[in-house]
Amino acid sequence: DTAVSQTPKYLVTQMGNDKSIKCEQNLGHDTMYWYKQDSKKFLKIMFSYNNKELIINETVPNRFSPKSPDKAHLNLHINSLELGDSAVYFCASSFGTGGAWAFFGQGTRLTVV
Amino acid sequence: AQTVTQSQPEMSVQEAETVTLSCTYDTSESDYYLFWYKQPPSRQMILVIRQEAYKQQNATENRFSVNFQKAAKSFSLKISDSQLGDAAMYYCAYRSGSLYGKLIFGQGTELSVKP
Repeated sequence: DTAVSQTPKYLVTQMGNDKSIKCEQNLGHDTMYWYKQDSKKFLKIMFSYNNKELIINETVPNRFSPKSPDKAHLNLHINSLELGDSAVYFCASSFGTGGAWAFFGQGTRLTVV
Repeated sequence: AQTVTQSQPEMSVQEAETVTLSCTYDTSESDYYLFWYKQPPSRQMILVIRQEAYKQQNATENRFSVNFQKAAKSFSLKISDSQLGDAAMYYCAYRSGSLYGKLIFGQGTELSVKP
């Protein structure tokens, strides 16, 4: 049983389209995250939610909109996709306490053509 | 702001040998945690080891151990008896001890293991 699952694993789409990535965790964690891994494999946080409430919103274009319907789900919707959005997007979850480590999904490789 | 630096983009080790990956960080906080994550070609991020800043004792997990030098803000990972399956990208990460702290990653070190 996968702890943090993301769908889809691969996504190829044209510029200007709107797409969503879904994430679900079954670990009972109260905090979920979206990370972006760029072409140089650098990982950077985009958003964090705790119990459906937005906690962290890094400097991300407002074309990216996260939605958390409940604490087990955190989806990422991207409008008007651009070539520069091509990356691997990771969902992760943890307990909100500082020492807790994060469990990651398998990532979604988004390619914008 | 906190930063994490991995100065070795690539490292190589012979199978069964020992290798050390370097990591330094910068913070003004006293309460924090440090992690090493592994990302094999499968892309899955896997936690390797975790260190609490308030603990002087270095963390160990089987063949993996850390050398945590708090004053120097250094957190290196030692892999003993390297195996082919250890080949991966390794990320050092920092997390504040405050609630809802985010993980801040270093640039990663690509480790290759030669048979």
